[in-house]
Order: sequence, then C-alpha cells, then structure tokens
Amino acid sequence: NAGVMQNPRHLVRRRGQEARLRCSPMKGHSHVYWYRQLPEEGLKFMVYLQKENIIDESGMPKERFSAEFPKEGPSILRIQQVVRGDSAAYFCASSIQGASNQPQHFGDGTRLSIL
Amino acid sequence: QQPVQSPQAVILREGEDAVINCSSSKALYSVHWYRQKHGEAPVFLMILLKGGEQKGHEKISASFNEKKQQSSLYLTASQLSYSGTYFCGAGLGDKIIFGKGTRLHILP
Repeated sequence: NAGVMQNPRHLVRRRGQEARLRCSPMKGHSHVYWYRQLPEEGLKFMVYLQKENIIDESGMPKERFSAEFPKEGPSILRIQQVVRGDSAAYFCASSIQGASNQPQHFGDGTRLSIL
Repeated sequence: QQPVQSPQAVILREGEDAVINCSSSKALYSVHWYRQKHGEAPVFLMILLKGGEQKGHEKISASFNEKKQQSSLYLTASQLSYSGTYFCGAGLGDKIIFGKGTRLHILP
C-alpha cells in the first residue's frame, strides 16, 4: 500500500499521559501536514513539515503539542500531559510539493480518546 | 480566514442534482474539494487553480470565480455513493484552510 500510513488507528490515554501519533507519507512525498478534526467539524490545520524542518506551525497549540519529521522515519505528532479536550481524530496528509496548488493525500487518521 | 460553505446539509433523492458553495474573505490561490465518508479519510476530488476555471470528472464538476473568491461544486444525477461530507479548502500560501463541510445524504 503506497498510501499515507498512520498509526495507531485508535489510541486511548488517561489524563496526564503522553500521546504519540505517527505518519508515514506516500512514497515520493516529502511534505507532511497534520490536521485535527472534532466530531461534525471540519479539518483544522495544525502544522506543516518537510524533512527535518517545521515550515508552518501556526495552527499548533503553544503548549503540550509538538511535531517532527526526522530525516529517517515517520512524522510524529506528540501531545504531552493530555487532557479531555484533546480527544479528536488526527489526520496526516502528504503532498509531493508544498504549495497550496498541490493535492494532499490523507491517511486514515488516529482516533485519540482521553479517559 | 476559514472559508464559508453553504448549505450546511443537503438531503437528496438519487438522481437529483446538488450545488455546494464555498466563499472566502481572503484572496485565493486555489480551491480544493474533498469528500469524507463517516469514519474514513478525506478523499481528494479536484483542485482549481485559475480564476474562472472549471474542472470535473464523471458527474462531479466545480467552478472557481477568482474575482468573487468563490467556488461551487456541482453534483449531477447524484448516486448513493455520493453521500458524505464535502469540504472545500482555501489554498493560502503553503497550506490549505478547510471549511466546516457540507453534509450530503442521498436517499434511494
């Protein structure tokens, strides 16, 4: 499967724990985007990364959230000290180029539930 | 900054047509359309890059009026498989900002 791969599909955490969400882009894509989606809501842009660089993190909360896309391996969205309000679906998308005139291809998402 | 979609929800019978509108308060470089079925990933439908451009495949097409900063998605002779939530995305610089979506439900 050459599509965008996200894991885990479902993640349950207790308040105060850390959540790590992984995303492997499509083959040949080096631009990765993370979105958050609440039930019955749209996709909210969080962060845009290229290999080893954060290009735009204007949608990321200032505290507890971080993202990386290392030279080797998947992109990781990390949420520290999770709270109930972090419960959501987190989608990753990748594109072959970074401009807004390129289609983005989405993974199946990670559903994060906070107990 | 978030584009506004209308209507919020549509219920159609199979074979009927629908139009979904998307408008932005900011100048758009591009407009993207995606469809998402419940519990699944958003799926890319099309991207419009030029003012006045129209694109389409099968019975789904779209237009982009750059001057008015508006786009419309046209679904002709709708099929059951068209059900889902349609999102327009405003291409702004290096990212896409999505609207809240239009829920489309097709009845047999």
